[in-house]
Amino acid sequence: GNSVTQMEGPVTLSEEAFLTINCTYTATGYPSLFWYVQYPGEGLQLLLKATKADDKGSNKGFEATYRKETTSFHLEKGSVQVSDSAVYFCALSEPGGYNKLIFGAGTRLAVHP
Amino acid sequence: SAVISQKPSRDICQRGTSLTIQCQVDSQVTMMFWYRQQPGQSLTLIATANQGSEATYESGFVIDKFPISRPNLTFSTLTVSNMSPEDSSIYLCSVEEGRVPFAKNIQYFGAGTRLSVL
Repeated sequence: GNSVTQMEGPVTLSEEAFLTINCTYTATGYPSLFWYVQYPGEGLQLLLKATKADDKGSNKGFEATYRKETTSFHLEKGSVQVSDSAVYFCALSEPGGYNKLIFGAGTRLAVHP
Repeated sequence: SAVISQKPSRDICQRGTSLTIQCQVDSQVTMMFWYRQQPGQSLTLIATANQGSEATYESGFVIDKFPISRPNLTFSTLTVSNMSPEDSSIYLCSVEEGRVPFAKNIQYFGAGTRLSVL
């Protein structure tokens, strides 16, 4: 079945460091791909999305490119801030169905001053 | 984006009781979903709340344990029945913005209900 695999956390970085959180997926067809962020004590917020191969989603300095050849959607940010500390979830929307979301396990990011 | 209000935001319940969680969205949407996030875990879809018909449950979830109502296009409830400590989780409502066939394939989430069962 369809699935999403994320790199395990926690990821600990210093402020202004470069961030990469790896995400790969398994899916039949052409899913849409998403990154959601969950700040401490809050629900999920959509961070960015991409709906087809080679699309790049971007928001708040974060970017991710839909790579069909490697079935990947890695999240990157050039310079992280303390306020980016959160749990990041990669997800796919199953194609051809009713857009059910399949989530990865989540990656906790801690950014220190 | 759709604005979703979920309540209660948290609750502490006794074993054997039931809790009903409400989800209200500020626009009409076709698709509403209920997810569970167990402590330290990812999200798992419980069911899709269908307006005017019975909810569609995922494998491992049953209507007797998680009855769902969807009386209109802006509101849904999830009940966690006969609770045990294993039901302690965050329960989240999500909606797909828009109405079929113009739905935008983007899901937005409520802030969640943090449930602790003693």
